[in-house]
Amino acid sequence: QQPVQSPQAVILREGEDAVINCSSSKALYSVHWYRQKHGEAPVFLMILLKGGEQKGHEKISASFNEKKQQSSLYLTASQLSYSGTYFCGTEMMQGGSEKLVFGKGTKLTVNP
Amino acid sequence: GAVVSQHPSRVICKSGTSVKIECRSLDFQATTMFWYRQFPKQSLMLMATSNEGSKATYEQGVEKDKFLINHASLTLSTLTVTSAHPEDSSFYICSASLGTAQETQYFGPGTRLLVL
Repeated sequence: QQPVQSPQAVILREGEDAVINCSSSKALYSVHWYRQKHGEAPVFLMILLKGGEQKGHEKISASFNEKKQQSSLYLTASQLSYSGTYFCGTEMMQGGSEKLVFGKGTKLTVNP
Repeated sequence: GAVVSQHPSRVICKSGTSVKIECRSLDFQATTMFWYRQFPKQSLMLMATSNEGSKATYEQGVEKDKFLINHASLTLSTLTVTSAHPEDSSFYICSASLGTAQETQYFGPGTRLLVL
């Protein structure tokens, strides 16, 4: 079951903040966040494994709620380089094997 | 950081031909490799999970006889699109991880396939 991402797109001016949400109707094993620039492969940002976990690197951070059904990615004081499409991937068990199922993505555009 | 390469980066072929895409983990041994397909402005769709030395696990709706996957070593997996058709045109991306899907997946740069 594909996780739901919101918003679908967001446009910011450099220095503004943004929040991207990823939710599921079922509790998740983990949430992965990736950023993909046009024509390139996704780049790993971070993984959250535990309910209530918060993780961050510089001005990009993420949280995983206690019920492990929602994760949010926080981008503060956005930079031009933050532009791209952000995907959350949620781990699922299917047919005895684990796999990541990605949301539809959130396109972030940061303008000068 | 872990590096994954893909070759070729771009391929154009005629309908009916077969195309092989290689995915290599350059500086680590990947227990598991994943193959994704991404259509323009859409999400990554998992095609199959490949474990070294065993048969790939295909997702529902993905024809295993059309998309042949071989994971001969811990650093190499190949995807062969057999008898390619224009609807197979897409961006194919592999990723590699040290173990399960819970581990970080390192993505290759992708292969853009255009079938004429």
